[in-house]
Amino acid sequence: QVQLVESGGGVVQPGRSLRLSCAASGFTFRSYGMHWVRQAPGKGLEWVAVISYDGSNKYYADSVKGRFTISRDNSKNTLYLQMNSLRAEDTAVYYCAKGSGSYYLGAFDIWGQGTMVTVSS
Amino acid sequence: DVQMTQSPSSLSASVGDRVTITCQASQDISDYLNWYQQKPGKAPKLLIYDASNLETGVPSRFSGSGSGTDFTFTISSLQSEDIATYYCQQYDNLPLTFGGGTKVEIK
Repeated sequence: QVQLVESGGGVVQPGRSLRLSCAASGFTFRSYGMHWVRQAPGKGLEWVAVISYDGSNKYYADSVKGRFTISRDNSKNTLYLQMNSLRAEDTAVYYCAKGSGSYYLGAFDIWGQGTMVTVSS
Repeated sequence: DVQMTQSPSSLSASVGDRVTITCQASQDISDYLNWYQQKPGKAPKLLIYDASNLETGVPSRFSGSGSGTDFTFTISSLQSEDIATYYCQQYDNLPLTFGGGTKVEIK
């Protein structure tokens, strides 16, 4: 079945790094744009980043630009989010989501279960 | 950035009631608007795409309308399983943005 499974979350100190992964199955991963969306505890949804189907185009929210890097390995059906210089305000559940189009146009039609990232000393 | 203003932020209604949520964009986004449902502790789920199209498998009591800057999401007859927070989201421009959410509770 169509599925996204995130991993890599955990507790990390401010200023350190963490890499999230999202394993996709049940659909042609290489054909779709992929996104990261986060949700701080008790807060709403915040879009973080998008990568096009072939990895040639990327875009970030201002809140993470220059610190986070989105990437993908279409041979492994896996999406990544490299998070550097982490801050307390990055504490959130991070969801990967499949786009319905090849880049950012369309909807988030499939979501992972989320992985929690806690930035604390 | 396109700001999405959702209202109300919360509402309480009885089973069987008609529930309406509005979402206003800070600029014209055509029909590039989606609606999601998020139940407590769960990932969001797509309900409506392109302002008015029902995602496959979603009950027909859910509907959406609007274009330009003003959009409406409706539950025609609220069910107990509809207790959730609902979000609108625009994709006309990057960065993609969500509304603040509407928490729906049973009265």
